[in-house]
Amino acid sequence: ELKVEQNPLFLSMQEGKNYTIYCNYSTTSDRLYWYRQDPGKSLESLFVLLSNGAVKQEGRLMASLDTKARLSTLHITAAVHDLSATYFCAAMGGATNKLIFGTGTLLAVQP
Amino acid sequence: SAVISQKPSRDICQRGTSLTIQCQVDSQVTMMFWYRQQPGQSLTLIATANQGSEATYESGFVIDKFPISRPNLTFSTLTVSNMSPEDSSIYLCSVRVSLIYTFGSGTRLTVV
Repeated sequence: ELKVEQNPLFLSMQEGKNYTIYCNYSTTSDRLYWYRQDPGKSLESLFVLLSNGAVKQEGRLMASLDTKARLSTLHITAAVHDLSATYFCAAMGGATNKLIFGTGTLLAVQP
Repeated sequence: SAVISQKPSRDICQRGTSLTIQCQVDSQVTMMFWYRQQPGQSLTLIATANQGSEATYESGFVIDKFPISRPNLTFSTLTVSNMSPEDSSIYLCSVRVSLIYTFGSGTRLTVV
């Protein structure tokens, strides 16, 4: 059964600093997704990672995938307050291609 | 990516009653997914709904408690039955089109 773990659960950062969120999954997965959720809102798609070594960047966020290590990372560069949100990774697996979510990382960027 | 209309957006319900949540998609999709997000928690998959067949439920979720309908390729409903305060959560539907999973805006359910 596919399980997805994320760490840290909570991250308090200062503006301008860099940090990385880690996402481990337990079995082979075809794809890895990253989402952002603002309080009281639904999920916003950030990245879809399709293959080993895939790297995608959007603004101050960069996601990568290592399928051999079953690890994805979301790197935050020079954090700004607007990045404060909860970030989820999710791996796709199973016969129905269901999406299994990690525990989420609550990111708080302090001025 | 698909556009999903989910309703109601929120409701407050008495324990023992039922609530039906609707999701309408702007394109035909094979599978629809229903998730629960308990306060401060991640998303947990409840079931996968295919048109024309019974939904497939995840461990810990049963059809009597969460009956699902999927009458066509653009619409699905999830009913939360015989509600208790423990059912207070956000419920979200989701579809996959090509590589992208899109989520509805969610239904915030409070059971009192």
